Amino acid sequence: AQSVTQLDSQVPVFEEAPVELRCNYSSSVSVYLFWYVQYPNQGLQLLLKYLSGSTLVKGINGFEAEFNKSQTSFHLRKPSVHISDTAEYFCAVSLPPRRALTFGSGTRLQVQP
Amino acid sequence: SQTIHQWPATLVQPVGSPLSLECTVEGTSNPNLYWYRQAAGRGLQLLFYSVGIGQISSEVPQNLSASRPQDRQFILSSKKLLLSDSGFYLCAWSSANSYEQYFGPGTRLTVT
Repeated sequence: AQSVTQLDSQVPVFEEAPVELRCNYSSSVSVYLFWYVQYPNQGLQLLLKYLSGSTLVKGINGFEAEFNKSQTSFHLRKPSVHISDTAEYFCAVSLPPRRALTFGSGTRLQVQP
Repeated sequence: SQTIHQWPATLVQPVGSPLSLECTVEGTSNPNLYWYRQAAGRGLQLLFYSVGIGQISSEVPQNLSASRPQDRQFILSSKKLLLSDSGFYLCAWSSANSYEQYFGPGTRLTVT
C-alpha cells in the first residue's frame, strides 16, 4: 500500500519570500501525484498534478512541483508568496488502476506580512 | 463546466440521531464519486467510492453507509450518529478515465 508523508505540519514564511512544502511517498510501483490547497472551511482545490512526462509541473497561483523518482518526493514550491497563499496544503497519491486518493496529513502555510 | 454541490453546509445533530448528506454533480456523466471525512488532526480519510449507480465500495468499517441512487447523486447516511462522527465531510468526483479529483464545498457535521 502507498503512503504519503508531509514532513512539516506548519511552515511560517514572510510575504514575498520563497517557500518549499515537502512531500514524500512510498510505493513500489508508479503513482500519480497531486497537490491540493484548502482555505478555511472550504473544500479542496487542485493546484497541480503529475501523471507522466516532464518532472517539473506548473500549477495555478504560481506554484510548481518537481517529481523526483529516485527520492520518491514531490515537493511544492513558489518563488514569492502572498498573504493570500495562507492555507493548508495536501499532497496526495493515486495508485493506478485504483483511483482513490491517499492524502498526507497536510502542511499549514502561514504567510506573515 | 462541471459543478459539485453538497448540502447542508453545516449540521448539528444529537448522538443517536440519523444522518443524510447529499452530493450532486452537474455537467458530467458517469463520474466516479467519493466521500471523504476530515476530522480534526487526522487528515483526510476516504470513506466510500462509487464507479456507477448502485456500486459502492467501503474503505473503513463504521456506522456510516453510502448510496448512489442516480448517476450524479451520492448520499452519505447513518442510522445512529456517534460523537466520533463529527468532522468535515467532503464529496469529490473524477471522470471515469482520469485520476484527478474535484471536491465539493463540504459539510461541517457536529454531533453533540
